[in-house]
Amino acid sequence: TAGITQAPTSQILAAGRSMTLRCTQDMRHNAMYWYRQDLGLGLRLIHYSNTAGTTGKGEVPDGYSVSRANTDDFPLTLASAVPSQTSVYFCASSELPGGRTDTQYFGPGTRLTVL
Amino acid sequence: GQNIDQPTEMTATEGAIVQINCTYQTSGFNGLFWYQQHAGEAPTFLSYNVLDGLEEKGRFSSFLSRSKGYSYLLLKELQMKDSASYLCAVRDSNYQLIWGAGTKLIIKP
Repeated sequence: TAGITQAPTSQILAAGRSMTLRCTQDMRHNAMYWYRQDLGLGLRLIHYSNTAGTTGKGEVPDGYSVSRANTDDFPLTLASAVPSQTSVYFCASSELPGGRTDTQYFGPGTRLTVL
Repeated sequence: GQNIDQPTEMTATEGAIVQINCTYQTSGFNGLFWYQQHAGEAPTFLSYNVLDGLEEKGRFSSFLSRSKGYSYLLLKELQMKDSASYLCAVRDSNYQLIWGAGTKLIIKP
């Protein structure tokens, strides 16, 4: 089982350009999440989706958008990238959001540099 | 505001025991998680506590005191492969995870 895959592994992007980070899971999990991880800071939630067809804003949603057309895919789009969006982006999924033992499983990450 | 505090870095010796502390102040509490993250890799789940007390899982144990807003991760019989960052996360009243910045654990032979 692949679990969660992310693409690309890394990317250098010019400021002002748009980009979509891809995330696919094959565990049939209901919930999916996008985080960014920056040095010295904890993981910060960008957007989440508790089930296909619904999305919600996390702690740092500005400059990002998501969609959840089906259970497996949860792409993250940067409409017009800025240097402060340079970060490592992790996609995660969990079986049942809010469930007692709900555990998040992470993809390998995308390292994005915006110049 | 919500806050998770962990030491930035700790050093320990191979074969020894180390305790990594985590204190939290969050809006609500619905469980505390510990994750391990090797450099350049994704976080992986280690343990979950929602009731007070100690949860043991092999060489790793995790303790929770909800009244004190405190948890620790105990690693026994340290191995070189345990060199990693250890992340503490609390699930708040909205069932979202609030993450600490992580503790980098360095193991010396």
